[in-house]
Amino acid sequence: AQTVTQSQPEMSVQEAETVTLSCTYDTSESDYYLFWYKQPPSRQMILVIRQEAYKQQNATENRFSVNFQKAAKSFSLKISDSQLGDAAMYFCAQPGAGGTSYGKLTFGQGTILTVHP
Amino acid sequence: GAVVSQHPSWVICKSGTSVKIECRSLDFQATTMFWYRQFPKQSLMLMATSNEGSKATYEQGVEKDKFLINHASLTLSTLTVTSAHPEDSSFYICSATSSFQETQYFGPGTRLLVL
Repeated sequence: AQTVTQSQPEMSVQEAETVTLSCTYDTSESDYYLFWYKQPPSRQMILVIRQEAYKQQNATENRFSVNFQKAAKSFSLKISDSQLGDAAMYFCAQPGAGGTSYGKLTFGQGTILTVHP
Repeated sequence: GAVVSQHPSWVICKSGTSVKIECRSLDFQATTMFWYRQFPKQSLMLMATSNEGSKATYEQGVEKDKFLINHASLTLSTLTVTSAHPEDSSFYICSATSSFQETQYFGPGTRLLVL
């Protein structure tokens, strides 16, 4: 069974600084997707970034980028130039059996990110 | 990204009554919808997977007779909490997807408080 582990329950960062959220996972699939979701105080889940395992290049979306280490099964999220609006709970997630982008997801425990002005 | 709505966003009910939550995919046909439950500052717990026109598949430990799921069309799934009790109070989130989508798209959630 897939497992996703986020070892940092809480993180904090100063506005304009950079922060990295860690995530490790376990899967027996050879090709799969990985996701980072953001859940702000409104509790609406928002897709931040996704990575396809067969792509060696790390995904980037504006100030958000990932460090995907397939052999180590590590998938960390880097937020550059942090903004107050980045304050949220962040979840790492991976699909279940089949590894497809539209399959049921296994979520990590979440990391609460606080951004200090 | 695609838009998924949930209704109601907030519901208070008396113990013993039933509550229905709707999840709608507004701009794509969702062959699959998922229902999650989330407690404060915790992760999302998958309750069930709903495929259009089929019976829902429930996760281990989720009472199918208590949490009735219907996915009668490609744009609507409903979750009915039957004979609700205070311990059913939680935040319920749905998501929708299909094989054409890059991920699941989440509804804004429904807060249920059972008195």
